[in-house]
Amino acid sequence: QSVLTQSPSASGTPGQRVTISCSGSRSNIGGSTVSWYQHLPGTAPKLLIHSNNQRPSGVPDRFSGSKSGTSASLAISGLQSEDEADYYCAAWDDSLNGPVFGGGTKLTVL
Amino acid sequence: QATLRESGPALVKPTQTLTLTCTFSGFSLTTGGVCVTWIRQPPGKALEWLALIDWDGDTYYTTSLRTRLTISKDTSKNEVVLTMTNMDPVDTATYYCARAQLVYYDYYMDVWGKGTTVTVSS
Repeated sequence: QSVLTQSPSASGTPGQRVTISCSGSRSNIGGSTVSWYQHLPGTAPKLLIHSNNQRPSGVPDRFSGSKSGTSASLAISGLQSEDEADYYCAAWDDSLNGPVFGGGTKLTVL
Repeated sequence: QATLRESGPALVKPTQTLTLTCTFSGFSLTTGGVCVTWIRQPPGKALEWLALIDWDGDTYYTTSLRTRLTISKDTSKNEVVLTMTNMDPVDTATYYCARAQLVYYDYYMDVWGKGTTVTVSS
């Protein structure tokens, strides 16, 4: 069971905006920044968002992140078929003295 | 640009020790804030963080596997090695190494290797 909680699945149609949530506690999200990763089967996970809301170079601005208290969200606007993937959140956990992941959200583009 | 590549056996027997090597280029593991970390993904399951070594040589391990894991670095070879003892079929997974950035509580994994699949079976 993952330390950070994510809904197992999400879906949307092309062009829609979808939001994926990540819930934690004071020892992780509440006291650290959140990062988000996109993982397509058979490939390496890709960093989408770091430091709560920062996009690395090359990540489309359709992807955005936010954090409030002990929860964080990843928003994908203008949904595209290639966005169909698993999405994971992560944060440093001060109590565990290491990073923790969410259980992942499988995004389906209908 | 930074790259990482995992190498190691594809098949190990139960009770054996797994040794995985992460060979990296394009960055230095002596730069402040830079770390190398190992993550695995069992088939059909979520990503699981395993271990991390930082620029100063400090090591961090996931609590559940702490007694079985050792992470080390050879800066001259640009390598990070992870050993996991007493392998079990439940350790069957794809193992990834990644470069991580850690500044106070700002942590993220910005460059990943392609992963290596390890099967534990007799």
